[in-house]
Amino acid sequence: AQSVTQLDSQVPVFEEAPVELRCNYSSSVSVYLFWYVQYPNQGLQLLLKYLSGSTLVKGINGFEAEFNKSQTSFHLRKPSVHISDTAEYFCAVSDPSRGGSQGNLIFGKGTKLSVKP
Amino acid sequence: KAGVTQTPRYLIKTRGQQVTLSCSPISGHRSVSWYQQTPGQGLQFLFEYFSETQRNKGNFPGRFSGRQFSNSRSEMNVSTLELGDSALYLCASSPQGAVGNTIYFGEGSWLTVV
Repeated sequence: AQSVTQLDSQVPVFEEAPVELRCNYSSSVSVYLFWYVQYPNQGLQLLLKYLSGSTLVKGINGFEAEFNKSQTSFHLRKPSVHISDTAEYFCAVSDPSRGGSQGNLIFGKGTKLSVKP
Repeated sequence: KAGVTQTPRYLIKTRGQQVTLSCSPISGHRSVSWYQQTPGQGLQFLFEYFSETQRNKGNFPGRFSGRQFSNSRSEMNVSTLELGDSALYLCASSPQGAVGNTIYFGEGSWLTVV
């Protein structure tokens, strides 16, 4: 079964510093990869996704992620964070072979990003 | 365009009771998925509905059930509630539900079982 590992449960960082949130997945077959963000008391919002093509994916709010097939990683980066980026970030994977079904997304346990002034 | 709407937002139930949660997807979306979020287990897939049919199911006991109506609105039901069912239940919708499609989450229903 596929699994997603987010290596850091919490990442504290100062405002305007760069940040990298790490994500590794277990599958050796082709997968689709996603990063979601969850602000306090809200649902999840898609930041970016990798389906195919360029391994560098740009998302909303200045975030980007790089797909590395050999290392089965999909790390999320932002060159300069803001206080408003404080939230929990989830990496997720889905299996393209499931055809027309979006289920099920396998999520990592999340990384809480705390941006300090 | 209105987002995914979940009701109720907060509720408290007693062990042994049952609960029904409701989800109205984004207009035009035909696929609805449900997820359970807890501090210990994280986000776990419950089930997915498309055109009133359950298309996929996660690894949850039969106490967890759902359905989808002809207008794509969905409900999930949990019977014989246990303390461990306390969680945030998230609903998500997408137009066709194809793998790789962006899915849009609601704000969730917070269930506390006492």
